[in-house]
Amino acid sequence: EAQVTQNPRYLITVTGKKLTVTCSQNMNHEYMSWYRQDPGLGLRQIYYSMNVEVTDKGDVPEGYKVSRKEKRNFPLILESPSPNQTSLYFCASSLSQAGRTDTQYFGPGTRLTVL
Amino acid sequence: DAKTTQPNSMESNEEEPVHLPCNHSTISGTDYIHWYRQLPSQGPEYVIHGLTSNVNNRMASLAIAEDRKSSTLILHRATLRDAAVYYCILRDWSNTGKLIFGQGTTLQVKP
Repeated sequence: EAQVTQNPRYLITVTGKKLTVTCSQNMNHEYMSWYRQDPGLGLRQIYYSMNVEVTDKGDVPEGYKVSRKEKRNFPLILESPSPNQTSLYFCASSLSQAGRTDTQYFGPGTRLTVL
Repeated sequence: DAKTTQPNSMESNEEEPVHLPCNHSTISGTDYIHWYRQLPSQGPEYVIHGLTSNVNNRMASLAIAEDRKSSTLILHRATLRDAAVYYCILRDWSNTGKLIFGQGTTLQVKP
């Protein structure tokens, strides 16, 4: 089944404790992206990757890192999480980034709470 | 980025058609109109997209105004499973691939 998977689905952590949220897709998509969703602010793009070893900042990249060593994986790294990073995170992928007709496929979400 | 305007919420009865409107008066000639929806506790999922002509797929229909300044997502027979937030999004040639989600329309379906 074609899908985007994220782990963990739920995470409660403390300020400053490094964490990684994994994202994997099995559709051989070139483009992958991370969004965060907050009440009243909607979904906002954090980082995106157009292909292996190519990543770039989205609208809200502060406090996050990403890497794209393999086509299928795009982990989101919080080196020193803070309470303002408490949010619902979604990973997405699509065949390419430039296609105006490309469909983006979203993962199930990771609910992160930073105490 | 071109913006879209949608009603905050709408209600429908089960098995009746639902018409979800979207205004995009600043749309450019090369923007595609996409619709995504987000079911409770899930990630957004693609519904349909179009450029100028009306479009149909197994999930819904998309009616696009002749001047392209508005569009309507049509669910032909709403089910309880269609209760979700529906987002109307314009996609241009931006090389970030970013989807710009507005507040969307929360659709309630009553049995």
